[in-house]
Amino acid sequence: EIVLTQSPATLSLSPGERATLSCRASQSVSHYLAWYQQKPGQAPRLLIYDASHRATGVPARFSGSGSGTDFTLTISSLEPEDCAVYYCQQRDNWPPITFGQGTRLEIK
Amino acid sequence: QVLLVQSGGGVVRPGGSLRLSCEASGFNFANRGMHWVRQAPGKGLEWLAYLRYDESDRYYADSVKGRFTISRDSSKKTLFLQMNSLRPEDTAVYYCARSPKWDLHLDSWGPGTLVIVSS
Repeated sequence: EIVLTQSPATLSLSPGERATLSCRASQSVSHYLAWYQQKPGQAPRLLIYDASHRATGVPARFSGSGSGTDFTLTISSLEPEDCAVYYCQQRDNWPPITFGQGTRLEIK
Repeated sequence: QVLLVQSGGGVVRPGGSLRLSCEASGFNFANRGMHWVRQAPGKGLEWLAYLRYDESDRYYADSVKGRFTISRDSSKKTLFLQMNSLRPEDTAVYYCARSPKWDLHLDSWGPGTLVIVSS
């Protein structure tokens, strides 16, 4: 089973700042990595798939990069509504499909 | 627009059974793979099961294999999760989600339904 490790566990930044979230895989997942945003009391929402492709309707301030074992989700200029937990997910070596443990993003 | 409406959650005793439903609208259900994912209180996401669009393959997480069954009724555009031999550790919010026909990211999610397993 591929383990995804996300860092940091919590990130606290101000509006307008740049956020960089990391996801590291225990073995290569090629480019088969997705990112999700989950706000309190809501279902997750797909942001990025195949490492760098923005899902429909996702603002351009969200971008993804990486391949192999190291991936990054970048939010270029934080908005207050970006406060959420962010999860990465791999589907290269499956089953099982696995998720990271999440990064909590707080907006000061 | 894409809509996944979930039902069937509730409180059940350990060892009991429950069937979750996920009714789809706004897209061609017959063309999409479908998943179940759960989230225990205060915890992260756990993938449970996947059913290919044509029902040719289905896969399960080890934690539910042999106890849970994923199925679909394409005529009713509905996905199901039959859960048997439930345990307290199965307590969670259960989400259905769809994937593109030939990929496995989860591009639309239902709102979730809460299952509590308790005596």
